[in-house]
Amino acid sequence: TQLLEQSPQFLSIQEGENLTVYCNSSSVFSSLQWYRQEPGEGPVLLVTVVTGGEVKKLKRLTFQFGDARKDSSLHITAAQPGDTGLYLCAGAGGFQKLVFGTGTRLLVSP
Amino acid sequence: SQTIHQWPATLVQPVGSPLSLECTVEGTSNPNLYWYRQAAGRGLQLLFYSVGIGQISSEVPQNLSASRPQDRQFILSSKKLLLSDSGFYLCAWSVGYQPQHFGDGTRLSIL
Repeated sequence: TQLLEQSPQFLSIQEGENLTVYCNSSSVFSSLQWYRQEPGEGPVLLVTVVTGGEVKKLKRLTFQFGDARKDSSLHITAAQPGDTGLYLCAGAGGFQKLVFGTGTRLLVSP
Repeated sequence: SQTIHQWPATLVQPVGSPLSLECTVEGTSNPNLYWYRQAAGRGLQLLFYSVGIGQISSEVPQNLSASRPQDRQFILSSKKLLLSDSGFYLCAWSVGYQPQHFGDGTRLSIL
């Protein structure tokens, strides 16, 4: 069974701080996706990483796919209250079935 | 552009009653369709996926079933709901190797 562990599970920080969320697995994935979810809504795709070692930047968010395609990280620089939400990583398998991580709830206070 | 619709947004049902949640996708053909359940503040668990009309794969044994009567319609059903069926249900679609896109979900409460 493929599992994706995210850490930390919960993070509460002040506006302007930096943070990193980790997504780890013992399985290899063809690609890995990061989503952000607001309460009562569906997850919204942030990025897809495909190549081992790949780094993608989305404004203040930096995503990295591990060389072995088993793990990933999300780094947020100068966090803002608008970054608050549930961050989910998901590894893609056959038929694009996704294995979701355990989730990281981020709270950024002004 | 593609859109996905789920309804209802919220639902309160008594134990033992039937269930039907509907999901439709617009703006694409022959999508892969998925049903997930999400525990509060946690990751999503894949329940069913479908690669075509009438083709349903179940990922976990449970009290639920899924059907795909039309290309862009995916239905999640139950004949008799259990308390443990409470949760947040999400439908998603994808095409080929493109990422999945999610609906806004249905909050199901069983009393």
